[in-house]
Amino acid sequence: GENVEQHPSTLSVQEGDSAVIKCTYSDSASNYFPWYKQELGKRPQLIIDIRSNVGEKKDQRIAVTLNKTAKHFSLHITETQPEDSAVYFCAASRGGNEKLTFGTGTRLTIIP
Amino acid sequence: GAVVSQHPSWVICKSGTSVKIECRSLDFQATTMFWYRQFPKQSLMLMATSNEGSKATYEQGVEKDKFLINHASLTLSTLTVTSAHPEDSSFYICSASGLAAGNEQFFGPGTRLTVL
Repeated sequence: GENVEQHPSTLSVQEGDSAVIKCTYSDSASNYFPWYKQELGKRPQLIIDIRSNVGEKKDQRIAVTLNKTAKHFSLHITETQPEDSAVYFCAASRGGNEKLTFGTGTRLTIIP
Repeated sequence: GAVVSQHPSWVICKSGTSVKIECRSLDFQATTMFWYRQFPKQSLMLMATSNEGSKATYEQGVEKDKFLINHASLTLSTLTVTSAHPEDSSFYICSASGLAAGNEQFFGPGTRLTVL
C-alpha cells in the first residue's frame, strides 16, 4: 500500500519568513495530493491540493509543488503569520473516492 | 464546501461498554465514508472505508468485530466501538465524499472518546 513520509516533524520560523514542508510517497498510482492544517482538537482543514497533471499550484501565500518522477511534493508558506501555527499533514490518494494516506505531520510554530 | 457532522463530539464511558458514533453528510449524498483514528500528537490513521449499502473495508490490523461500521444510507454512517477499553481512547474522525461534492473528502469535527 501507499506510504507517505513527511519532514520535518517540527518547524519553527520567524514571523514573516517562509516555511517549507516536504513529503514523499511510494505508490506511483497516486494522483491526488492534498495538504491539511489541523488545530488542536479540531478537524483537518484542506488548505491546498494538487493533482498529478500539474507541477505547481498557488493560492495567495500558500503554494504546493509536485515532482511525480521523484514522488515528492512540498508545501510552501510565505510571509508567515502567527495564525499559521498549527500541525500540517500531507496526504496522497489515487483520487476519486479512494482512501487518503496521511503523512506523520509537521508542527509549525511561528515566532512573533 | 460540503458539511459533515459527527455526534457526539465527546463521550466518556466505562470499560466494557459500547459506544456509537454517528457521521452525517448534511448537504450532499456521501457514497463513501471513511473512519479515521488519531491518537495524541499522531497522524490520522484510516480504520475503514464504507460504501453505502455494502460492507466496510477494514485496514490491516483493525478488528472488524470490535469496530462495527454501518453505512445504511447516503447521508449516515455509524461506528460502534464494542467492549471499549482504555486503549481505545482516541479522537475518531469521519470523512465523506460523493460525486456531487467533487469526490473531495470532507471531514467531520471528530469525536473524543475516553474510556475509563
